[in-house]
Amino acid sequence: DVKVTQSSRYLVKRTGEKVFLECVQDMDHENMFWYRQDPGLGLRLIYFSYDVKMKEKGDIPEGYSVSREKKERFSLILESASTNQTSMYLCASIPPGTGYGYTFGSGTRLTVV
Amino acid sequence: AQSVTQPDIHITVSEGASLELRCNYSYGATPYLFWYVQSPGQGLQLLLKYFSGDTLVQGIKGFEAEFKRSQSSFNLRKPSVHWSDAAEYFCAVADMDSNYQLIWGAGTKLIIKP
Repeated sequence: DVKVTQSSRYLVKRTGEKVFLECVQDMDHENMFWYRQDPGLGLRLIYFSYDVKMKEKGDIPEGYSVSREKKERFSLILESASTNQTSMYLCASIPPGTGYGYTFGSGTRLTVV
Repeated sequence: AQSVTQPDIHITVSEGASLELRCNYSYGATPYLFWYVQSPGQGLQLLLKYFSGDTLVQGIKGFEAEFKRSQSSFNLRKPSVHWSDAAEYFCAVADMDSNYQLIWGAGTKLIIKP
């Protein structure tokens, strides 16, 4: 089975800090995604990547950037954390063009104080 | 635009009772449809998926879903729920014009009464 690992389950950061959320998958998938999940708002796509060094903005990219230097690793960066970025962050990966559905990591609950 | 609607934000069911969670989609072509489950504090796990063929699909944990094209629905069912089924359930449709990105419903939270 595909495994998607998010490096931290819980993080507490201060306003203005630069925050890195790491995601690693072990099945050589090209496609990887970052979502945030908030009560009542469902899952919202922040960024996605179809291959190394490729990235595309999702629905809510403001305040975020991403890095994909190796196929297995997709990092989400909060350039200057703000309290409105307190959320659950979910990473997912999928093989290209198959429609098989995503495999998700366990999530990182980020609190910005 | 494609969309997925889960009309029920919360559903409460007694343990041992049957369950049906509703999902309606708006998509022009034949949809790829999914149901995911999220236990508290966890990521999402794929329950089942529909691509084509038999409109009744079986998934893990005893769940099934039925695709009804005429009603644009993909409702999730389970004949007898267990306390461990308490979770949030998400319906999604794959957008094949965007490399199979998923379009998500807002989720339905299932509460189990003892």
